[in-house]
Amino acid sequence: SQQGEEDPQALSIQEGENATMNCSYKTSINNLQWYRQNSGRGLVHLILIRSNEREKHSGRLRVTLDTSKKSSSLLITASRAADTASYFCATAEGSSNTGKLIFGQGTTLQVKP
Amino acid sequence: DGGITQSPKYLFRKEGQNVTLSCEQNLNHDAMYWYRQDPGQGLRLIYYSQIVNDFQKGDIAEGYSVSREKKESFPLTVTSAQKNPTAFYLCASSTQGTGELFFGEGSRLTVL
Repeated sequence: SQQGEEDPQALSIQEGENATMNCSYKTSINNLQWYRQNSGRGLVHLILIRSNEREKHSGRLRVTLDTSKKSSSLLITASRAADTASYFCATAEGSSNTGKLIFGQGTTLQVKP
Repeated sequence: DGGITQSPKYLFRKEGQNVTLSCEQNLNHDAMYWYRQDPGQGLRLIYYSQIVNDFQKGDIAEGYSVSREKKESFPLTVTSAQKNPTAFYLCASSTQGTGELFFGEGSRLTVL
């Protein structure tokens, strides 16, 4: 079952601009994670935010989590052409400790030089 | 270097044939997962294993089988019963409790 709904499905920006991607989910979560996937490659973990956290930073990445709205956003600041990739949110459900994640459909980001 | 190795990277199969995708990890992770990705889509969970000699079905297990005889290895067999097997298959592993998944580079299966 797909839990995450991501918005927008595709995003095209110029280098140096900021990129914001949103993710909504349906059930209670233990944590929410963001992954990046370059075309034809495996996914790479970017950042994890726990259900009791509201905001987290990692380099040029900023993630927010609003559990009341069941939504999260990923902001990439000062984007670079190398940021071109697909970005996925993934949720770990409730009290589950299986590591089992449910992924969204993804946002495809194109950063033009 | 520690990581997850999937093989083969590309695989072609005739209809009616079974095929096995390999996944090996040297991260000493307890848990391993198989996901399927279709073009322009997210990942869907096929099977996962939290410990050797035990595994559970994910959301789309029909037509697939797995084994977990060793901690390092979690092969996936795509059987002839899988009606639409052409897809990109991703293997992942994690340490229990952290939630972060480490992925292999994927295997692209095409049924001719």
